[in-house]
Amino acid sequence: GIQVEQSPPDLILQEGANSTLRCNFSDSVNNLQWFHQNPWGQLINLFYIPSGTKQNGRLSATTVATERYSLLYISSSQTTDSGVYFCALGFQKLVFGTGTRLLVSP
Amino acid sequence: DVKVTQSSRYLVKRTGEKVFLECVQDMDHENMFWYRQDPGLGLRLIYFSYDVKMKEKGDIPEGYSVSREKKERFSLILESASTNQTSMYLCASSLSLLKNNSPLHFGNGTRLTVT
Repeated sequence: GIQVEQSPPDLILQEGANSTLRCNFSDSVNNLQWFHQNPWGQLINLFYIPSGTKQNGRLSATTVATERYSLLYISSSQTTDSGVYFCALGFQKLVFGTGTRLLVSP
Repeated sequence: DVKVTQSSRYLVKRTGEKVFLECVQDMDHENMFWYRQDPGLGLRLIYFSYDVKMKEKGDIPEGYSVSREKKERFSLILESASTNQTSMYLCASSLSLLKNNSPLHFGNGTRLTVT
């Protein structure tokens, strides 16, 4: 099956810092998406990005399908960015990576 | 905005009970999914449905069944709850993963404890 690896597994930042999260995958890039799970457990869809680059406020994402990776950029991080970030992809059903746990301290 | 509603945020059941977890989406989505999330194991797919009355097994269907009688509602059934089914259950929906631009949207989750 599809293998989805995320790095780093854990990240601690000071408020205002920038960061890059990486997602490597082993198969075709169908339906690649990034999610944020907040400390209360709610999963929010950040980007649907099987290719190219998208931006939404302080967040942006880039997927390079030919090299089988995707990057999530967080700029000027805030404490509300804390939580776990997942990437997921698949045809008809999504396979999730193990996530990057981010803690942004004031 | 897409809204995926799960009927309970917290649920406590006894071993052997039959448990129903309900999920409703309001965007006429074709696909609906049930995941469970456990520490160290991530999100694992239990069942999914791509149309009314259609269902497909995910990665861990044992001990579960599902029902999709109406397009907007997808129910997860634990026929005889066991303690190893204590978990966070997450319902999700998408327009269609066979089409482009079909983001997955999650409900708030149901934390089930089986005692």
